[in-house]
Amino acid sequence: GAVVSQHPSWVICKSGTSVKIECRSLDFQATTMFWYRQFPKQSLMLMATSNEGSKATYEQGVEKDKFLINHASLTLSTLTVTSAHPEDSSFYICSAGGGRDEQFFGPGTRLTVL
Amino acid sequence: GQQVMQIPQYQHVQEGEDFTTYCNSSTTLSNIQWYKQRPGGHPVFLIQLVKSGEVKKQKRLTFQFGEAKKNSSLHITATQTTDVGTYFCAGGYQKVTFGTGTKLQVIP
Repeated sequence: GAVVSQHPSWVICKSGTSVKIECRSLDFQATTMFWYRQFPKQSLMLMATSNEGSKATYEQGVEKDKFLINHASLTLSTLTVTSAHPEDSSFYICSAGGGRDEQFFGPGTRLTVL
Repeated sequence: GQQVMQIPQYQHVQEGEDFTTYCNSSTTLSNIQWYKQRPGGHPVFLIQLVKSGEVKKQKRLTFQFGEAKKNSSLHITATQTTDVGTYFCAGGYQKVTFGTGTKLQVIP
């Protein structure tokens, strides 16, 4: 199947700093990518839909100014957590592909905000 | 909004026993997908069902999509320790709504 990578795989930062997470589709082009957040022992919650060349679409309750999404190319989407706080600590996962087929998930990024 | 619930939330089984997780949606689903997430890992796609009443098998795993397309089930026959993980159902194309998940623990 298709491969989606994420970088970094884990990051620890101080409260108030910003963190950028990259999501890349390695062997296919993705006009649309999705960002999910997963808190411990919970399910995945869709945060936003990243659209290449246009603004991201955010789910209800997700602050667009806090979670900046940029889909710069057909193979790269970035999620920037601005002014991170401890409550933002979570597992962030991106996905790409789909249509009427499966979604391919990245390995995830574990963010810990001290 | 759409809610997708799974029961049970947790299940411990002895190796060799069968396991079933049930998925129920508050609305009709266009499709149902099943994912497996190992501890510390990311969701891995298992299968997709599209047709009402559809049943698909993958070795020891049997997936079923309800007639009303609002529920689904995953049944594992003769569980093995490699089956450990959390199983999620999910509905929708691209923009996927995940179920609450069932965590399976297999006791050797």
